[in-house]
Amino acid sequence: ELKVEQNPLFLSMQEGKNYTIYCNYSTTSDRLYWYRQDPGKSLESLFVLLSNGAVKQEGRLMASLDTKARLSTLHITAAVHDLSATYFCAVDRFNFGNEKLTFGTGTRLTIIP
Amino acid sequence: DAGVTQSPTHLIKTRGQQVTLRCSPKSGHDTVSWYQQALGQGPQFIFQYYEEEERQRGNFPDRFSGHQFPNYSSELNVNALLLGDSALYLCASSDGQAYGYTFGSGTRLTVV
Repeated sequence: ELKVEQNPLFLSMQEGKNYTIYCNYSTTSDRLYWYRQDPGKSLESLFVLLSNGAVKQEGRLMASLDTKARLSTLHITAAVHDLSATYFCAVDRFNFGNEKLTFGTGTRLTIIP
Repeated sequence: DAGVTQSPTHLIKTRGQQVTLRCSPKSGHDTVSWYQQALGQGPQFIFQYYEEEERQRGNFPDRFSGHQFPNYSSELNVNALLLGDSALYLCASSDGQAYGYTFGSGTRLTVV
């Protein structure tokens, strides 16, 4: 059974600091996703990582993927208050008829001014 | 280009009742998946519909059932509601060819 673990579960950090969220998954997967969720809202897609060594950046967020280690990281640079949210990683297999997302537990990020 | 549309936005039901949630996929998408997200947890896969049939299913009881219509829209039905069914229900659509899913804004179900 595919399992996805994130750490930390909770993260409180000051504005301007850097930090990294880690996502481990238990079995081979084809695609790794990062989502953002604001309280009471739906999921906003941030990144999709498809291959080993993939790195994507958008603003202060950068995601990377190491398929050999089954590890993805979401790095936050010079955090600002607007980044406060819950971040989920998720994986799936691109096998026609078998695509479904398995989510991690989420990391609740709070940026303190 | 409309994204995924879910209705209703919020719903309050009593234990034992039945509920139907609706989802219209993004234009061009033919596959619809449903997820349940309990408070403070990650979304859990319920089932997926493609060509009007349930293609795969997560670890949910038979009280959870669904349907897909010829226009690719979908319904999620839950019978004999339990307090534990209270959650945010998310619909996601995809086209099965390219990567990526588009999520709707969700239906918040509260069972009292």
